[in-house]
Amino acid sequence: QQPVQSPQAVILREGEDAVINCSSSKALYSVHWYRQKHGEAPVFLMILLKGGEQKGHEKISASFNEKKQQSSLYLTASQLSYSGTYFCGTPATDSWGKLQFGAGTQVVVTP
Amino acid sequence: NAGVTQTPKFQVLKTGQSMTLQCAQDMNHEYMSWYRQDPGMGLRLIHYSVGAGITDQGEVPNGYNVSRSTTEDFPLRLLSAAPSQTSVYFCASSPGQGFGTYNSPLHFGNGTRLTVT
Repeated sequence: QQPVQSPQAVILREGEDAVINCSSSKALYSVHWYRQKHGEAPVFLMILLKGGEQKGHEKISASFNEKKQQSSLYLTASQLSYSGTYFCGTPATDSWGKLQFGAGTQVVVTP
Repeated sequence: NAGVTQTPKFQVLKTGQSMTLQCAQDMNHEYMSWYRQDPGMGLRLIHYSVGAGITDQGEVPNGYNVSRSTTEDFPLRLLSAAPSQTSVYFCASSPGQGFGTYNSPLHFGNGTRLTVT
């Protein structure tokens, strides 16, 4: 089952903060985050694993709450380059080969 | 390294035609997958492979076939194109190393934009 992302869209001014949430009705073993700019391929941001391990960009901040089965991505002091659509992805519980993505959160950062 | 290379970039088909979308990676990744992306629906998994000779279905496999004869290549075949298959198709690979996508990031190709009329 696909994870659920919220909000669907957010508009920020440069320097403002935002939080993107990703939740699942099933147990989460890990959570991926990707950003996609218009007309381009998704680009890896980070992976959060059970137990607190993280892999990815040092400048990106995120959390993973295993008990609540959710993850949050924090956009702090946003820059124009943060604009794009953010996707979270979670491996299916029956097969880690199946990475299922949420519908995405569109982020627009304005000057 | 070229990374993940997809061809063609654009394709227009007529209903009922068949074609193959090509995907190749030069990173020696074990794991490869195909996604389709439609507006407002995110990325949906079509098929995936955890190594040469091994493939499995994703969320939306109907109308598509795959094979994995080498580590490098993972072609996607549309058997009889339908307008509902109009989409952007992304191929992705990952080191995998036995854990699938649990702890390994996906590297995406630049996509193939397919229109079926």
